[in-house]
Amino acid sequence: GEDVEQSLFLSVREGDSSVINCTYTDSSSTYLYWYKQEPGAGLQLLTYIFSNMDMKQDQRLTVLLNKKDKHLSLRIADTQTGDSAIYFCAERLSNYQLIWGAGTKLIIKP
Amino acid sequence: GAGVSQTPSNKVTEKGKYVELRCDPISGHTALYWYRQSLGQGPEFLIYFQGTGAADDSGLPNDRFFAVRPEGSVSTLKIQRTERGDSAVYLCASSLGGRDEQFFGPGTRLTVL
Repeated sequence: GEDVEQSLFLSVREGDSSVINCTYTDSSSTYLYWYKQEPGAGLQLLTYIFSNMDMKQDQRLTVLLNKKDKHLSLRIADTQTGDSAIYFCAERLSNYQLIWGAGTKLIIKP
Repeated sequence: GAGVSQTPSNKVTEKGKYVELRCDPISGHTALYWYRQSLGQGPEFLIYFQGTGAADDSGLPNDRFFAVRPEGSVSTLKIQRTERGDSAVYLCASSLGGRDEQFFGPGTRLTVL
């Protein structure tokens, strides 16, 4: 079946770049998403990429998609303490269903 | 405008009891989704409504779980004879249509003692 895998933790120093990685299995994915979840808050859509693109940049965020390897990454430039959160990768299949990873907790060291 | 709201934010109940969780979607959104998120996991799909009808309820774990959306807006997730394994955060999301961005509510944390 479909599966999305992510590392559970990432620790970076404030001001460095963070790179969160994700792999997925379903080649029929139409869109791939990155969501952010902060304690006590709902899931917030950060960015997404259409499956026929290989890169998307949005201010401090860069999404890279390697469709051949089914690998997605999210790079956050100049990581700040406010970026501390759990980041979820999700793929959307050909219909409405989202398949989610378990989330990567981003820890910022001063 | 107002986002997706869910009530209650927290619910503690005893094993065997019945609970109802409510979701108010963004006005005008025809699609509504329920997910369950266990600790350390991503959301797990439960059910999807398009309008008033459940277009896909394949994620409901068993017949103790039921959801309704009688007027195509507010939805209620109902859990009968709760078990400790039902403890999780129940998330609701809505979107304009079934293929559009899903906006999430803050969730209801259900604890079954």
